[in-house]
Amino acid sequence: DIQMTQSPSLLSASVGDRVTINCKASQNINKYLNWYQQKLGEAPKLLIYNTNNLQTGIPSRFSGSGSGTDYTLTISSLQPEDFGTYFCFQHNSWPWTFGGGTKLELK
Amino acid sequence: QVQLKETGPGLVQPTQTLSITCTVSGFSLTSYYMQWVRQTPGKGLEWMGFIRSGGSTEYNSEFKSRLSISRDTSKNQVFLKMNSLKTEDTGVYYCASSYIGVMDAWGQGASVTVSS
Repeated sequence: DIQMTQSPSLLSASVGDRVTINCKASQNINKYLNWYQQKLGEAPKLLIYNTNNLQTGIPSRFSGSGSGTDYTLTISSLQPEDFGTYFCFQHNSWPWTFGGGTKLELK
Repeated sequence: QVQLKETGPGLVQPTQTLSITCTVSGFSLTSYYMQWVRQTPGKGLEWMGFIRSGGSTEYNSEFKSRLSISRDTSKNQVFLKMNSLKTEDTGVYYCASSYIGVMDAWGQGASVTVSS
C-alpha cells in the first residue's frame, strides 16, 4: 500500500498568512493527488484534484503543486473560513489512501 | 442539485453485519462511480471501495473478505454491507460520487457504533 505522510500535523496561522501543507507519498503517484478540507462534524470537501486542478466553486487562493512523491497545498491568504483539517488522497494505486491530516488552527 | 444521504442502524453488535444505504438524487448511478469511505478514531479516513458506473466493484483488500457494495439503479440507491464487525469499525461511513478517483460530492455520513 502507498503511505501518505502529511506535514505538519498541526499548523497555527493567522488570517492573511500564506500557508503550505505538504504530502509525501511512499512511491510515485503520478500526480493522482487530491486535497480535501474537513470541518468538524462535516464530510470532506474537495478542493484540488489531480495535483493542481481547482474544483469548481473553490476560491483561487487555494492552489496545488507537485509531482512524483511530493505534493503541496498552498493557501495564499488565509481567511477565517479556511480553518479546519486538510487531507491529501492518492488514487494512483489500489488501495487508494489518505494522509493523516493537517489541522489548521487560528494562532 | 446533487444530493447524497446515508442511512444506517447507528448501533451494531460485535460480530454482526453492518448495512448502510446511500440514496442519491440529481445524477444517475450509471454515470458515476460511487465510493465508500469511513473515518474511524483509530485509522482516520480510509477508502473502502467503489462500484463503477457499469456496476463492477473494487474493494480495499483491508476489507475485501467482509465487504460488499451493490446498488439498485431504479431506486437511486447504493448499499454497503460489511460483516463480522468489531469495535474498531466504529466511526462515520460516507458515500461519495466520483469521476474515478475524484470524489466531488459526499453524503453527510452515517455514524456507526459497534458495541454490545
